[in-house]
Amino acid sequence: GAGVSQSPSNKVTEKGKDVELRCDPISGHTALYWYRQSLGQGLEFLIYFQGNSAPDKSGLPSDRFSAERTGGSVSTLTIQRTQQEDSAVYLCASSPPDREYGYTFGSGTRLTVV
Amino acid sequence: GDSVTQMEGPVTLSEEAFLTINCTYTATGYPSLFWYVQYPGEGLQLLLKATKADDKGSNKGFEATYRKETTSFHLEKGSVQVSDSAVYFCARNDYKLSFGAGTTVTVRA
Repeated sequence: GAGVSQSPSNKVTEKGKDVELRCDPISGHTALYWYRQSLGQGLEFLIYFQGNSAPDKSGLPSDRFSAERTGGSVSTLTIQRTQQEDSAVYLCASSPPDREYGYTFGSGTRLTVV
Repeated sequence: GDSVTQMEGPVTLSEEAFLTINCTYTATGYPSLFWYVQYPGEGLQLLLKATKADDKGSNKGFEATYRKETTSFHLEKGSVQVSDSAVYFCARNDYKLSFGAGTTVTVRA
């Protein structure tokens, strides 16, 4: 597609439920990143994929968070047993092999845990 | 560890005023540097970039120069408009983007 697509755009879930957030990167972009933006906070790195492997998952806040990428394309971020502190905007970005061109961000998924 | 430090906001100024947002970075080597902008209700957009020392990135009247000697990448615009009201993020790229905390800029008519 023309841009990075994320779905859903908004998600309200009850505390304790699991959620899946989806990211469709730009075709041909080998690198994919997940970030989290909390209210009043900056952008927090979560995980980085190169192809289907994740060389750096150091930003995942706890073992309730996991992510996978298949076919070098779509990625899914899963949050198990959601907590209220998980409420944030989850952003996905992708970049071509030459990352000096910068990353293209999706519009994000706004997650609200009630 | 490596980090990006941005001038704290919020910044409020009048139309046609001069805007500077300071950004410094710590890093080994010479990473690529970026400024991203987030307009109200919108996603992050790349504003400008510089990939090596002394490079100047520019876009929409904004400029930033990669200063190796001061490890800085300050964003400037000579005459802001109301439409420049947004949150601005400085970022450093090694294999991932590391962002500053963001600076909220409000331009009054």
